[in-house]
Amino acid sequence: KAGVTQTPRYLIKTRGQQVTLSCSPISGHRSVSWYQQTPGQGLQFLFEYFSETQRNKGNFPGRFSGRQFSNSRSEMNVSTLELGDSALYLCASSLDGGASTGELFFGEGSRLTVL
Amino acid sequence: AQSVTQPDIHITVSEGASLELRCNYSYGATPYLFWYVQSPGQGLQLLLKYFSGDTLVQGIKGFEAEFKRSQSSFNLRKPSVHWSDAAEYFCAVGALSNTGKLIFGQGTTLQVKP
Repeated sequence: KAGVTQTPRYLIKTRGQQVTLSCSPISGHRSVSWYQQTPGQGLQFLFEYFSETQRNKGNFPGRFSGRQFSNSRSEMNVSTLELGDSALYLCASSLDGGASTGELFFGEGSRLTVL
Repeated sequence: AQSVTQPDIHITVSEGASLELRCNYSYGATPYLFWYVQSPGQGLQLLLKYFSGDTLVQGIKGFEAEFKRSQSSFNLRKPSVHWSDAAEYFCAVGALSNTGKLIFGQGTTLQVKP
């Protein structure tokens, strides 16, 4: 069974640009969560999507957005990039957001560098 | 406020020695507790989890953790560390109602001396 796949793995952008990251969850999983990981702030929850609806949201500005498609694949977008957006963005999938088992399965992440 | 504290940022142990990584949490609801491990350049792998029941839980790779409600702690232990255990370890807390969201500690980096 394939794991969570995130693309691209690495990317470099400049300030003011926008970026789209993609996440393909484990087959059969309907929930996708996104996290930002930085050395200073650690792992922080961005949002969770379930059946194409945003069901939970962290404390990030509106520049961070996401969506989920009918096949459960998800994308997150960051507009007007700032230097502080440089981070490892992790996607996690689960059957139901972890409500029953609590277990999230993480991808290897997309490392974004903003210059 | 909901939070997870891992007091030790960096720990070094000798191969074959025992290990204990500390985790304290503050969470209003009944928490689910987790330990994840992250190797450099990799995502997070679940080591073990606690929902309810037996307060001593067994995980993969020979790890175990004990939930102590009175101390709000969920410490991770391993009786004999292997060089391949060198990684960063994260304690996390979640709740049934807070789907998809885990609150993570800052992590503990484990170095293993030969």
